[in-house]
Amino acid sequence: DVKVTQSSRYLVKRTGEKVFLECVQDMDHENMFWYRQDPGLGLRLIYFSYDVKMKEKGDIPEGYSVSREKKERFSLILESASTNQTSMYLCASNTGTGVLYEQYFGPGTRLTVT
Amino acid sequence: GQQVMQIPQYQHVQEGEDFTTYCNSSTTLSNIQWYKQRPGGHPVFLIQLVKSGEVKKQKRLTFQFGEAKKNSSLHITATQTTDVGTYFCAGPHGGSNYKLTFGKGTLLTVNP
Repeated sequence: DVKVTQSSRYLVKRTGEKVFLECVQDMDHENMFWYRQDPGLGLRLIYFSYDVKMKEKGDIPEGYSVSREKKERFSLILESASTNQTSMYLCASNTGTGVLYEQYFGPGTRLTVT
Repeated sequence: GQQVMQIPQYQHVQEGEDFTTYCNSSTTLSNIQWYKQRPGGHPVFLIQLVKSGEVKKQKRLTFQFGEAKKNSSLHITATQTTDVGTYFCAGPHGGSNYKLTFGKGTLLTVNP
């Protein structure tokens, strides 16, 4: 089974702190994604990586950066956390080949910024 | 960018009733995917539709892709309490099949 793990299920940080969210997948997937999920807004793409050290901005990249130094690991960084970044953060991955584009999601990290 | 509209936002049914959620796009989609997210859980892939007019069934769930490939639906027959959750449709994002744009989802609650 594909497994996508995230470093924390719950996280509480203070405004202005630098926050790291880690995601690891064990299926040798080329693509990895970070989403945030807010009530009534669905899942919104923050950043996407299609290879090691390669990244693309998603729909809401402001206030976030990412790092992909190894194929299996994709990190989301909040340079200076703000209260409007309180949200559920979901990591996902999929293969970059073939005709089935299914994304596999991690369990999510619920981040609260106070 | 690509937008996928999903209705209704909420649906409450009695156990045994049917349920349908609809997904619409302003542009033609090369494919559409459906995901289910249980309360407290994460989205889990259900199915991918590719062909115009395609209909696929998974037990009590029926998925359709419109002839123009701009709309899709998920129908659940005789809902059960295990069907509770949010159902999302998702289409290709920015021309890439591997990135997705998600609808806002339909939250289904089932009264036993």
